[in-house]
Amino acid sequence: DGGITQSPKYLFRKEGQNVTLSCEQNLNHDAMYWYRQDPGQGLRLIYYSQIVNDFQKGDIAEGYSVSREKKESFPLTVTSAQKNPTAFYLCASSMYSRGWPQHFGDGTRLSIL
Amino acid sequence: KNEVEQSPQNLTAQEGEFITINCSYSVGISALHWLQQHPGGGIVSLFMLSSGKKKHGRLIATINIQEKHSSLHITASHPRDSAVYICAVRWGSKETSGSRLTFGEGTQLTVNP
Repeated sequence: DGGITQSPKYLFRKEGQNVTLSCEQNLNHDAMYWYRQDPGQGLRLIYYSQIVNDFQKGDIAEGYSVSREKKESFPLTVTSAQKNPTAFYLCASSMYSRGWPQHFGDGTRLSIL
Repeated sequence: KNEVEQSPQNLTAQEGEFITINCSYSVGISALHWLQQHPGGGIVSLFMLSSGKKKHGRLIATINIQEKHSSLHITASHPRDSAVYICAVRWGSKETSGSRLTFGEGTQLTVNP
């Protein structure tokens, strides 16, 4: 079945470390998105990519980086510059580059040790 | 910037009850999306609306563009409906990319047997 796979489900990071969250889709979707979810807040867009080898900053990109070398993969790196990285991270995709998220992954919960 | 307000924040119901979750937004939109987030964190798309009403099984979504308001109804609620329900609005034209989304904080629904 087609879908989005996020791994790992739970991730722990020490202070000062970078960590990369994986997102893979086999839906042949053009666009992919990364969102952050915090308690009491709506999802906020970190980065999105409408096409391979291109990506744009969302509303809260500081302290994060992404790459889109393959259509099916959109990894998110949480760098040490992100001062409050503890959150739930969701990856999503849409069929068209100007669509909106149609499929979501199951998320990765990142915690700081 | 568009604001999205959901009410109530938390809702507890008995099995079989009729459920209504509300979503209000502040500026004109091109479409509104209802999402369901399962306890494990994964998100499923329920409806996308730009006008009128849509029905799928026991779920009904309505939107009033003039009033800038949408409702999600669940008839004959069941414990398996327990989840967080999220409203998201797409502002700008239909040609605008999926980055132009604003999410509500979500409504936590608990249906007791």
